[in-house]
Amino acid sequence: NAGVTQTPKFQVLKTGQSMTLQCAQDMNHEYMSWYRQDPGMGLRLIHYSVGAGITDQGEVPNGYNVSRSTTEDFPLRLLSAAPSQTSVYFCASSPGPAKNGYTFGSGTRLTVV
Amino acid sequence: GDSVTQMEGPVTLSEEAFLTINCTYTATGYPSLFWYVQYPGEGLQLLLKATKADDKGSNKGFEATYRKETTSFHLEKGSVQVSDSAVYFCALTMGSGGSNYKLTFGKGTLLTVNP
Repeated sequence: NAGVTQTPKFQVLKTGQSMTLQCAQDMNHEYMSWYRQDPGMGLRLIHYSVGAGITDQGEVPNGYNVSRSTTEDFPLRLLSAAPSQTSVYFCASSPGPAKNGYTFGSGTRLTVV
Repeated sequence: GDSVTQMEGPVTLSEEAFLTINCTYTATGYPSLFWYVQYPGEGLQLLLKATKADDKGSNKGFEATYRKETTSFHLEKGSVQVSDSAVYFCALTMGSGGSNYKLTFGKGTLLTVNP
C-alpha cells in the first residue's frame, strides 16, 4: 500500500496565483483532512471530508477550497495565493478517527512570494 | 472547545536518559488520545494511542497512560536513543458524536538526544 500520497512535495507560487495540492489514499478510508503546520502553532485543520461528496470547513478555511468526488482523492485548491499561506500542508486519512487516528502524507512545503 | 496542552520544548537529553513529555487535555466528553512523532522533513507518524480511560498505549519503548482523573496522557520512555530525536505531538479526537472527525493537536515538543 502506498498510504497517503501528496504531490507536489515543494512549490513556490507568486502572490495571486492559484494551484491545487493533490492528495490520494489507497486504503479506502472514509475520513480525509487537510492540515497546515506553522512554527509554534502546531497543526490546524483547514477542511475535512467524512465521505465522497461530503466536505466541510475546519478552523482555517479562508482562501482554500476542497472537493471529494471519489473516496480516494481529496485535492486542496488555493484560489489566490497570499504570503500568509506559506506553510507545510499535510493531508491525512482515517477509517475512523476515534479508534485509529489519522494516517498522514509526507507533506507539501509551499512558499508564496 | 477541546484543547491539548503539552510541555514546551525544546527538550535536550543524553542518550539512555529517561524521557517524560507532559500532555494534558480539555474536552467535553471522553476523547481518544494519541501521540504522533515527526522526524525532520517528514510527515507525522502515529506513535501510540489510547481510546478509553486507564488504557496504556505503547510502541517502540514509548508508553502513555490515559488518566481521566488528571486529564493527562504523558509520554515516557525509559532510555532514549539518538534516533528518537524528533518533534512529538499530543492529540485528541472525540468519540461518537461531537467533533469526531478532527484531531486537535498540542503545539509539539522538540526532543534532541545527544550521544
